[in-house]
Amino acid sequence: GENVEQHPSTLSVQEGDSAVIKCTYSDSASNYFPWYKQELGKRPQLIIDIRSNVGEKKDQRIAVTLNKTAKHFSLHITETQPEDSAVYFCAASGSGTYKYIFGTGTRLKVLA
Amino acid sequence: DTEVTQTPKHLVMGMTNKKSLKCEQHMGHRAMYWYKQKAKKPPELMFVYSYEKLSINESVPSRFSPECPNSSLLNLHLHALQPEDSALYLCASRRVGTDRNTGELFFGEGSRLTVL
Repeated sequence: GENVEQHPSTLSVQEGDSAVIKCTYSDSASNYFPWYKQELGKRPQLIIDIRSNVGEKKDQRIAVTLNKTAKHFSLHITETQPEDSAVYFCAASGSGTYKYIFGTGTRLKVLA
Repeated sequence: DTEVTQTPKHLVMGMTNKKSLKCEQHMGHRAMYWYKQKAKKPPELMFVYSYEKLSINESVPSRFSPECPNSSLLNLHLHALQPEDSALYLCASRRVGTDRNTGELFFGEGSRLTVL
């Protein structure tokens, strides 16, 4: 079945630096790759997503890149701020299925 | 309205109790999900309903019983739970398109369950 690996599990960066989180998926039928941010005690919320027909997508300080051949996708956060501190989950979902599988999560700490 | 509403927010129950978690959305989403989330872990898929029919059961123990009475409501009935079932239970919904894969999962705030 579908499996999504995510690295690193924890990441500490200085405020203003960039952060990169990587995910690898196993099911070649996956065609939708969202990223969720979950603050402590809160619900996961979508921050950016990408579909398999696109290689890169950017929204202000965050961007996602997709390499279909290698089956991996990455989240890039530039100019990090303390409020970016949270747990980030990648996910993968495929056409023809309702399954939506999450990666193991990355705890990002932005140090002021 | 882009809200998924879950009740109760907190629930404490004994191992012999019967309780239910409720989830409601009015976005017209025809796919609804139950996830279980333990501390410092990702959401773990339990059940998916599509068009009010159970589409996915991820081999969840029968002490968890889902129900989808209509397109806006999703319930999770709990009976004879174990302490290890203590977790945050998240409901989510999403729009269904022709390829069943049309994007964002909208999550509720969750019901935090403690089993004594």
